[in-house]
Amino acid sequence: EAQVTQNPRYLITVTGKKLTVTCSQNMNHEYMSWYRQDPGLGLRQIYYSMNVEVTDKGDVPEGYKVSRKEKRNFPLILESPSPNQTSLYFCASSFTRAGVEKLFFGSGTQLSVL
Amino acid sequence: SQQGEEDPQALSIQEGENATMNCSYKTSINNLQWYRQNSGRGLVHLILIRSNEREKHSGRLRVTLDTSKKSSSLLITASRAADTASYFCARRAADTTGTYKYIFGTGTRLKVLA
Repeated sequence: EAQVTQNPRYLITVTGKKLTVTCSQNMNHEYMSWYRQDPGLGLRQIYYSMNVEVTDKGDVPEGYKVSRKEKRNFPLILESPSPNQTSLYFCASSFTRAGVEKLFFGSGTQLSVL
Repeated sequence: SQQGEEDPQALSIQEGENATMNCSYKTSINNLQWYRQNSGRGLVHLILIRSNEREKHSGRLRVTLDTSKKSSSLLITASRAADTASYFCARRAADTTGTYKYIFGTGTRLKVLA
């Protein structure tokens, strides 16, 4: 089954404790991206990747890191989480060829930073 | 902010009625997409309309795009209780470097009453 898998689904942590949210897709998509969703603000793009070893900042990259060492994986790293990073996070992937471009989303990771 | 604006923020209608939601944006686009989100879950792609298209249909969905007004609308005809969800527009900004940056609207919460 074609899917984007995020883990964990829920995460509670404390300020400053490094964490990684994993994202994996099995559709051989070139494009992967991370978003955070906050009430009243919709989804905001954190980082995106056009292909392996190619990453770029979205609108809200501060406090986050990403890496794209393999085509299928795109982990989101919070080196020193802070309470303002409490949010619902989504990973998404897509082909980049014209006519087949659409984002496939993971189920989300609800992160609480205490 | 580059985020798109959607209106209304919330919409409540009776089953069988039509639902219309609007999306406005500020910069040039390559395409505009509509997504649906059920209660905190991952978004699901509904329909994509390219910048050179004016109208597109998919089942009970009709999307229009007016690039001169920088706006799009999503019409759901003959709504059902199962259409209750949040709906987001997302645009891929026109970018000569070929990078893909998606900007989402703030969403419309649709409630269809049985």
